[in-house]
Amino acid sequence: DQQVKQNSPSLSVQEGRISILNCDYTNSMFDYFLWYKKYPAEGPTFLISISSIKDKNEDGRFTVFLNKSAKHLSLHIVPSQPGDSAVYFCAASGGGNTPLVFGKGTRLSVIA
Amino acid sequence: ETGVTQTPRHLVMGMTNKKSLKCEQHLGHNAMYWYKQSAKKPLELMFVYSLEERVENNSVPSRFSPECPNSSHLFLHLHTLQPEDSALYLCASSQDIWGTQYFGPGTRLTVL
Repeated sequence: DQQVKQNSPSLSVQEGRISILNCDYTNSMFDYFLWYKKYPAEGPTFLISISSIKDKNEDGRFTVFLNKSAKHLSLHIVPSQPGDSAVYFCAASGGGNTPLVFGKGTRLSVIA
Repeated sequence: ETGVTQTPRHLVMGMTNKKSLKCEQHLGHNAMYWYKQSAKKPLELMFVYSLEERVENNSVPSRFSPECPNSSHLFLHLHTLQPEDSALYLCASSQDIWGTQYFGPGTRLTVL
């Protein structure tokens, strides 16, 4: 049973436009959410996180939105740059002794 | 050295060989992880250690044997692997099991 779902395996966006990556979760106990970025043959890099007490967190060009009632979060990248082309993983945690649960990833291609 | 380091970065081995992957974290974290990522597949959590105790083993074949001698070091001992075990093996660490994980660069393993 997939607790964290990224339903779009891939996304193409033009340089300078907004990229929106989506993530849905099923476990209502999740209260901490993260996005990671991964280039080929490298380890994932932590990008941004949000706690369930907030509905928005911003860091430069990256903004994460959380809709708890819909069990949905999204990552907005604006403006998108070619260097943003990577696989983006959504992850969630419910605290306690449970490690992060990762989605399957969305491959973002930013076209110049 | 800072962050999470992994050695070797690349490894080619025959099916009858025995080799070990090493991970070291310089972040003072209490939890460490092994993940496997095969080509175009999602991250697969293999093992979780917290305070040097194994807390999770996700149905990983016995030809993979983890070892955590202290909170800074994690090993993955490999023996009689199969070609389908060829993948990127990633190590990660976090302050607590539920917290943000920081990944190493990975070991690209090829089994001939």
